[in-house]
Amino acid sequence: EPEVTQTPSHQVTQMGQEVILRCVPISNHLYFYWYRQILGQKVEFLVSFYNNEISEKSEIFDDQFSVERPDGSNFTLKIRSTKLEDSAMYFCASSGGAMGTDTQYFGPGTRLTVL
Amino acid sequence: AQTVTQSQPEMSVQEAETVTLSCTYDTSESDYYLFWYKQPPSRQMILVIRQEAYKQQNATENRFSVNFQKAAKSFSLKISDSQLGDAAMYFCAYDFNKFYFGSGTKLNVKP
Repeated sequence: EPEVTQTPSHQVTQMGQEVILRCVPISNHLYFYWYRQILGQKVEFLVSFYNNEISEKSEIFDDQFSVERPDGSNFTLKIRSTKLEDSAMYFCASSGGAMGTDTQYFGPGTRLTVL
Repeated sequence: AQTVTQSQPEMSVQEAETVTLSCTYDTSESDYYLFWYKQPPSRQMILVIRQEAYKQQNATENRFSVNFQKAAKSFSLKISDSQLGDAAMYFCAYDFNKFYFGSGTKLNVKP
């Protein structure tokens, strides 16, 4: 069964460093998403991406964050200068249809630890 | 504003018994999706079941079923014949333009 994959599973970085989290969505999906979950808290929407551009973003997704689909398979989330409060689990998801019309399938997540 | 509320932070069920997890949401929309996701200790998000708001029939997936009450904006999950592997955090989620998650219910399954 097709699944969303994410690498790395765990990333440790120093405050102020840039990190890139990688995701490979399900191959025939067109809509891609990033979410984060701070330990012990609910999952929060960050951004949705379709047709090579951001379609929705939350107030969390500020100028420190960017997303990119550099090739036909990868979807990345970049955090330019990490802060301690960026420590969280980051989930990538993909869907065949737009938000509100189709199921999103989540990857296993990348645990980001900022020291 | 869309919000999702799970009023039960933690629940316990005996193996083979049935348990119901509650979820309510707030929206002014008429067509949307509702989901239950399972998050085991590995913290992966696993889709359990989904419900399309325009469908009156409650979704069922093997031992998992929902009680969708659109007018009451209620979306509960029933797990029948509970198994030890069902132990996890369960998140209710609402999807319309953006995805909103509840705060989760931790389900313990006792042998």
